[in-house]
Amino acid sequence: TQLLEQSPQFLSIQEGENLTVYCNSSSVFSSLQWYRQEPGEGPVLLVTVVTGGEVKKLKRLTFQFGDARKDSSLHITAAQPGDTGLYLCAGIFSGTYKYIFGTGTRLKVLA
Amino acid sequence: DSGVTQTPKHLITATGQRVTLRCSPRSGDLSVYWYQQSLDQGLQFLIQYYNGEERAKGNILERFSAQQFPDLHSELNLSSLELGDSALYFCASSSGAGNTIYFGEGSWLTVV
Repeated sequence: TQLLEQSPQFLSIQEGENLTVYCNSSSVFSSLQWYRQEPGEGPVLLVTVVTGGEVKKLKRLTFQFGDARKDSSLHITAAQPGDTGLYLCAGIFSGTYKYIFGTGTRLKVLA
Repeated sequence: DSGVTQTPKHLITATGQRVTLRCSPRSGDLSVYWYQQSLDQGLQFLIQYYNGEERAKGNILERFSAQQFPDLHSELNLSSLELGDSALYFCASSSGAGNTIYFGEGSWLTVV
């Protein structure tokens, strides 16, 4: 079974702190995406990473794809209350068509 | 607006009943995906279609079925509904494998 494990599952931090969310699998991704989801809404795509070792930045968010394409991380610098939400990694494992979501990290940033 | 349209947005029905959720993908997208999200849970992959054909299957119950029609819209049929089927059901579409996937706003199903 191909699984995408995210850690931590829950994170509550103060405004201005930094945080890192991890997405891990035992299988290789052909591509990986990070999403943010607000309650009652569909996930919204933040970034796509394709190449092993790739680093992408989106304002205060930095995304890294592992060299072996089995893991990824999302780092948020100086978190703000507007960053609160459910962060999901997702991807297609090499050799399949299944688009699988990670277990999710629920982030709450306190003002 | 992602361009993916789902109807109905909210649905309340009784146990044992059957419902149909409808999804219109973004214009030009051939792939349609269905996901189930229970309260405070992640998204569970149910099934994917590509240009009318089933391409991948996840943990979809036998009571559930789906299809993609020639005009590329898709329907998810849920039958013999149980309380535990209450969830947010998302449809998503993409132009093909490896391409960006866009999500609809979901259909809230409450089984009472």
